[in-house]
Amino acid sequence: AQSVAQPEDQVNVAEGNPLTVKCTYSVSGNPYLFWYVQYPNRGLQFLLKYITGDNLVKGSYGFEAEFNKSQTSFHLKKPSALVSDSALYFCAVRDLGNDYKLSFGAGTTVTVRA
Amino acid sequence: GAVVSQHPSRVICKSGTSVKIECRSLDFQATTMFWYRQFPKKSLMLMATSNEGSKATYEQGVEKDKFLINHASLTLSTLTVTSAHPEDSSFYICSVSTPLAGGGETQYFGPGTRLLVL
Repeated sequence: AQSVAQPEDQVNVAEGNPLTVKCTYSVSGNPYLFWYVQYPNRGLQFLLKYITGDNLVKGSYGFEAEFNKSQTSFHLKKPSALVSDSALYFCAVRDLGNDYKLSFGAGTTVTVRA
Repeated sequence: GAVVSQHPSRVICKSGTSVKIECRSLDFQATTMFWYRQFPKKSLMLMATSNEGSKATYEQGVEKDKFLINHASLTLSTLTVTSAHPEDSSFYICSVSTPLAGGGETQYFGPGTRLLVL
């Protein structure tokens, strides 16, 4: 079985401040981990992924995420948030043994105030 | 990444009618597509995996006869909500599974279809 937890429903930050969106996962084997962003009434956009290799993964729009195996976490980060980063963010996981199916977290709403 | 379109983007229908939603992979031949349902401010719920040339695989609790999926070509999958009722009102999103440079694969999502059943 595979699952994802996003412990925060909402994250509020001021523009220019660092942004962190938390994600922890549970899989039976080695994980594929993903972050997606969703703007209102839109589909999801792929931000980044981790499969193997460097624990720090860089993605689109200045976002990065750090894979921590011991803590089973994959937190999304951005050093300096923009108002345009305000959106709904989803963490997702796929067990390498599971045919393509992704399990999504509940989502975290990020609000960046000017 | 893959470019995925959905049509219509928004549909309003009367209770008891059927609604067809199309998902197209514009630049990638997709053997596998996925259909999700999303309630307001909620996560995505996988409904089914659409396989080109074969029957869709439905998740537990999803009614096969109510949500008909047809994946007739490598670029088109359709979801038909039959005899729609107000509780079927939702945001339906499809995705295409594509390989990633560097290994593995990910899903690219369509823009979604908002269904409102009156």
